[in-house]
Formats: sequence, structure tokens, C-alpha cells
Amino acid sequence: GENVEQHPSTLSVQEGDSAVIKCTYSDSASNYFPWYKQELGKRPQLIIDIRSNVGEKKDQRIAVTLNKTAKHFSLHITETQPEDSAVYFCAARNYGGATNKLIFGTGTLLAVQP
Amino acid sequence: NAGVMQNPRHLVRRRGQEARLRCSPMKGHSHVYWYRQLPEEGLKFMVYLQKENIIDESGMPKERFSAEFPKEGPSILRIQQVVRGDSAAYFCASSRTTGGGGTEAFFGQGTRLTVV
Repeated sequence: GENVEQHPSTLSVQEGDSAVIKCTYSDSASNYFPWYKQELGKRPQLIIDIRSNVGEKKDQRIAVTLNKTAKHFSLHITETQPEDSAVYFCAARNYGGATNKLIFGTGTLLAVQP
Repeated sequence: NAGVMQNPRHLVRRRGQEARLRCSPMKGHSHVYWYRQLPEEGLKFMVYLQKENIIDESGMPKERFSAEFPKEGPSILRIQQVVRGDSAAYFCASSRTTGGGGTEAFFGQGTRLTVV
């Protein structure tokens, strides 16, 4: 079945440094790749997404890259701040396909040290 | 436009009772997904529904769990004869219909089920 792997499971960086989280997916028909941020006890919130016809997308301090050939996509956060500390989940979806469901990675706990 | 609404936020049930979790999608959204999250773990897909149809229930346990999304009213996730292992946060997400954009899925606040 479909699977999304995410690494690392935990990531600690100093404030101001960059953070990179990587995901790989198994279903080559996946065409939509969102990233969610989940703070403790709260709902996952969509922070950025990318579609398969685009290789890179940027929104202020966050960016996502996609390599369709390698079935690999990454989240990049620059100039990290303490409020970036949270669990980040990647996901993949075959939008418009038979099931259309989002499959999530296992999450990365990001800790930004002040 | 209210977001995805889930209720109750917290639910305590004794072993053997039934739990009913409700999810009202965002206005204009007709796709609903249910996920289960154990403490300090990821989001596990359970079921995907459209109005009056179950599209994919491959993540749902075969027994005791059921889901529906009627023509009118919220989507319901029902757990019969709950056991302690059912204790988790259950999140609902919704997205728009296919065709014409709107691939984003937005989550509700979740229902935290505790089985005692």
C-alpha cells in the first residue's frame, strides 16, 4: 500500500539556523504534497503545499522542494525561531485518483533552542 | 466561514460503552477524512467519505468501528464496545470536491477519547 517515510524523527537547532525535514513516498501516482505543523495539544495546520507540476515553492521562511523522479520532497525552514518548535508532518496524496486520501509521514519533532 | 468543527472535544467512556464522534466539514467541503493519533505518534488514516458514500475504509478496524456521512448533518465516527486501546485523539479533516482546485485538507480540533 501507499507509504510515506519521514526523517529525522527529532531535530534540534539553534535559533536562527536552518532546519530541513525529508520525506519519501511510495505511490508514484501521488501528485499533491502538503506539510502540516502541529503544536502540542492542537490540530495539524497546513503550512505549505506543493503539486507535482512544480519543483519548488517558497513562502517567506519556509520552502518545499519536490523531486518526482526520486519520489522525494523536503521542507526547509530558514532563520528558525522558538515559535517554530512543533511536530511537522509531511503527506502525499493522489488527488483525483481512486482513493484521494492523504497519507502522512510519522512526524518530526522540531525543537528550536533560543 | 467556520472551520472544521468536531464535537465533543473530550469524551470519556467506560470500557464496553459506545463512543460517537461528530465532524462538520467546512462550508463547501464534501470530502471528509478521519484520522487517529496516539500520544506522541503520527496520524493514521482510518476512513474517507463523501456524502452518503464510504470511499476508502482501508484504515478502519474491521470490528466495532463504523463511519457515515449522511446527506444532511455531520459525519459520525462510531466506536462500539470501546476498549482502553481506543484511547486516542481522533481528527477529522475536510476538503472540497474534486475538479476545480481546492486540494487542501483542513483539520478540526480533534476529539480526545479516554476509555476508563
